[in-house]
Amino acid sequence: GIQVEQSPPDLILQEGANSTLRCNFSDSVNNLQWFHQNPWGQLINLFYIPSGTKQNGRLSATTVATERYSLLYISSSQTTDSGVYFCAVEETSGSRLTFGEGTQLTVNP
Amino acid sequence: DAMVIQNPRYQVTQFGKPVTLSCSQTLNHNVMYWYQQKSSQAPKLLFHYYDKDFNNEADTPDNFQSRRPNTSFCFLDIRSPGLGDAAMYLCATSRDHASGYQFFGPGTRLTVL
Repeated sequence: GIQVEQSPPDLILQEGANSTLRCNFSDSVNNLQWFHQNPWGQLINLFYIPSGTKQNGRLSATTVATERYSLLYISSSQTTDSGVYFCAVEETSGSRLTFGEGTQLTVNP
Repeated sequence: DAMVIQNPRYQVTQFGKPVTLSCSQTLNHNVMYWYQQKSSQAPKLLFHYYDKDFNNEADTPDNFQSRRPNTSFCFLDIRSPGLGDAAMYLCATSRDHASGYQFFGPGTRLTVL
């Protein structure tokens, strides 16, 4: 099956800093989603981005499908951005999402 | 607002006592998924329904069963919970396989005593 690797595994920032999270995947994909898991465990959809670039407020994401990676940018980070960020992909031959192991982000005041 | 609802949010059961978790959706999506997420791990797919067609993952234990009586509801039954089944259980939906985009409910955190 497809492999999904996220980096870094842990990231600690001061409020106001910018960050880039990376997701590498091992095969062609139909679907790529970025999620934020809040402290209560809910997965919040951030982006559906199998290719291209999207922006939503302080967050943006870019997927380069031909090179099999995606980047999530967080600008001017806030303490409420803390949590785990997951990348999940659906390979072209399948119908399930495969998750990376996540990046644990801590934003300190 | 259209959404995915899971009840209860927290469930405590005893070792070996059957438990049922519930998921409902107002999105009218064809596909419903159940994931298990253990502490500090990524969500892992247990099974999914495409309409009434049930698809079990190869490594899902027999202890886990699912029912989908209609489009809106899907249940996860754990026949004899063990301590290792303590986890967050996440329900998700998607319009169909081709669209891929999955919406997640808030999850049910299961504790096994």
